[in-house]
Amino acid sequence: SQTIHQWPATLVQPVGSPLSLECTVEGTSNPNLYWYRQAAGRGLQLLFYSVGIGQISSEVPQNLSASRPQDRQFILSSKKLLLSDSGFYLCAWSRQKNTEAFFGQGTRLTVV
Amino acid sequence: ELKVEQNPLFLSMQEGKNYTIYCNYSTTSDRLYWYRQDPGKSLESLFVLLSNGAVKQEGRLMASLDTKARLSTLHITAAVHDLSATYFCAVDGSSNTGKLIFGQGTTLQVKP
Repeated sequence: SQTIHQWPATLVQPVGSPLSLECTVEGTSNPNLYWYRQAAGRGLQLLFYSVGIGQISSEVPQNLSASRPQDRQFILSSKKLLLSDSGFYLCAWSRQKNTEAFFGQGTRLTVV
Repeated sequence: ELKVEQNPLFLSMQEGKNYTIYCNYSTTSDRLYWYRQDPGKSLESLFVLLSNGAVKQEGRLMASLDTKARLSTLHITAAVHDLSATYFCAVDGSSNTGKLIFGQGTTLQVKP
């Protein structure tokens, strides 16, 4: 069966510090991968998606970047965090031709 | 631009009552998904609706899709406290990438 791992679960970072969140998927190959952000009490906003290694599409202009160095690994990064980067970050995957998305457990990021 | 709107955004109801959550979307799509989110947790897939007229049921929840009206409903029958959560609908924004566009979420509170 397929599983998705996301870490860390919680993170408190000072403004201006770097960020690296990691997500890995097991039990499938060549998945579509996604990073979503959920601000407190709000819906999900798609940040990045990837259909293959090294292929990243950004949905919104922002202070964040994403990379996919391996088939089942997706990384969300920032060089300098802003207060507005606080939120609940969710990694998700889907099969290439079946778009039901399966979510990781999420990372709650607080920028102070 | 694809937009997804849910109604209502907050719903407080007594146990044993019935209610319906509505999800409207703005452009043509034949794939719609319902997710559940418990407070502080990730998203759990509830239903996948893949064609016009699709109806799926799981326990006290039933989801339907009308692609012509661009409307999906999530019907709750004889609500119980365990159904308290936030429910999201999501529409496939692109058949090639599997990008999901989410509604704002409906927070359901079932009172004993």
